[in-house]
Amino acid sequence: GDSVTQMEGPVTLSEEAFLTINCTYTATGYPSLFWYVQYPGEGLQLLLKATKADDKGSNKGFEATYRKETTSFHLEKGSVQVSDSAVYFCALSESGNTPLVFGKGTRLSVIA
Amino acid sequence: EPEVTQTPSHQVTQMGQEVILRCVPISNHLYFYWYRQILGQKVEFLVSFYNNEISEKSEIFDDQFSVERPDGSNFTLKIRSTKLEDSAMYFCASRIDANEKLFFGSGTQLSVL
Repeated sequence: GDSVTQMEGPVTLSEEAFLTINCTYTATGYPSLFWYVQYPGEGLQLLLKATKADDKGSNKGFEATYRKETTSFHLEKGSVQVSDSAVYFCALSESGNTPLVFGKGTRLSVIA
Repeated sequence: EPEVTQTPSHQVTQMGQEVILRCVPISNHLYFYWYRQILGQKVEFLVSFYNNEISEKSEIFDDQFSVERPDGSNFTLKIRSTKLEDSAMYFCASRIDANEKLFFGSGTQLSVL
């Protein structure tokens, strides 16, 4: 079945450092790919998404590019802030109402 | 922005007891979901619900689990006889349409002792 693998955390970075969180997937079809973020005490929120190969999703300075050849959707940000401290989840969905398949989540801590 | 609300935030119960986890989806949403995350593991899909019936469920969602939308605003997950391995964070989610953005609640941490 479909699956998502993301890098193990926790990740600790200094403010203004470059962030990469790796995500690879296995899917039978051509899924949509997502990054969700969970800030402390809150629910999961959609951060960005990409629906087809070579699409780039972006939001709040975060970016991820749908790479079909490497089945990857790595999350990047050029300069992280303390407020980016959260748990980040990579996910896929084969089609509109197909349940999301999540990775384990990666906890990011940014220190000033 | 509207929110999905889950109560309680923490629930502790004894093995074999029944628990009901409560969710209030966003008011005009039509599709409802439960997911769970056992500590250190992936977020897993449990069940989806639309038009007052289950539309899909995972193999985790066995006869011990049930969902209900009793009054048009609440969406509940019942575990009939809890097991130790039911200890997890349970997330409710909703969306207005199958292709629209999914909104999650902040979760209920269930601890079965």
